[in-house]
Amino acid sequence: NAGVMQNPRHLVRRRGQEARLRCSPMKGHSHVYWYRQLPEEGLKFMVYLQKENIIDESGMPKERFSAEFPKEGPSILRIQQVVRGDSAAYFCASSPFSGGKETQYFGPGTRLLVL
Amino acid sequence: AQTVTQSQPEMSVQEAETVTLSCTYDTSESDYYLFWYKQPPSRQMILVIRQEAYKQQNATENRFSVNFQKAAKSFSLKISDSQLGDAAMYFCAYRSPNTGNQFYFGTGTSLTVIP
Repeated sequence: NAGVMQNPRHLVRRRGQEARLRCSPMKGHSHVYWYRQLPEEGLKFMVYLQKENIIDESGMPKERFSAEFPKEGPSILRIQQVVRGDSAAYFCASSPFSGGKETQYFGPGTRLLVL
Repeated sequence: AQTVTQSQPEMSVQEAETVTLSCTYDTSESDYYLFWYKQPPSRQMILVIRQEAYKQQNATENRFSVNFQKAAKSFSLKISDSQLGDAAMYFCAYRSPNTGNQFYFGTGTSLTVIP
């Protein structure tokens, strides 16, 4: 049973370009979470999605960031017009159910570098 | 929002010795879940141990155990018989079933294991 897959693992963009980060949850998991980790910091929650629905986007910046989890295919975190401050590691996690005791299984992360 | 505090940015331990990493949190909720995650140099987030707040018994996983003090809002991780492979960043995390199921992470403790 493959774990959470994220690609690309490393992404380099120039300021003003778009970044698309993909996350395939574990098989059977319908709940996806995105987190951002800035250098020397812990992970910060961005958004929680179920299939075709955004459940909680309270951690998402209001502009340039969007996320989706379509019925078919991976979850996508999209950052438009990237700036240097977007450089970070972006982690996706998935769980089979919602509920506090459910462990979230993390992917290996995508390291975004904005030049 | 809940806050999680890890007051030890760095810790070190001799191989085969025991080390305790501290974590405190702030919440007004009575039902919640606490986790310790390990992030080795590969930066993969790996679940170490979790604790349900309604359980008085401290969780244990092999060489890893916690000291959960609900009244003090403290959740420390004890690593016994430390091994070189334990060297990593350790993040404490809080999760509530009432706030979209997101994790709140501390800023991490970097553990060095000295041979």
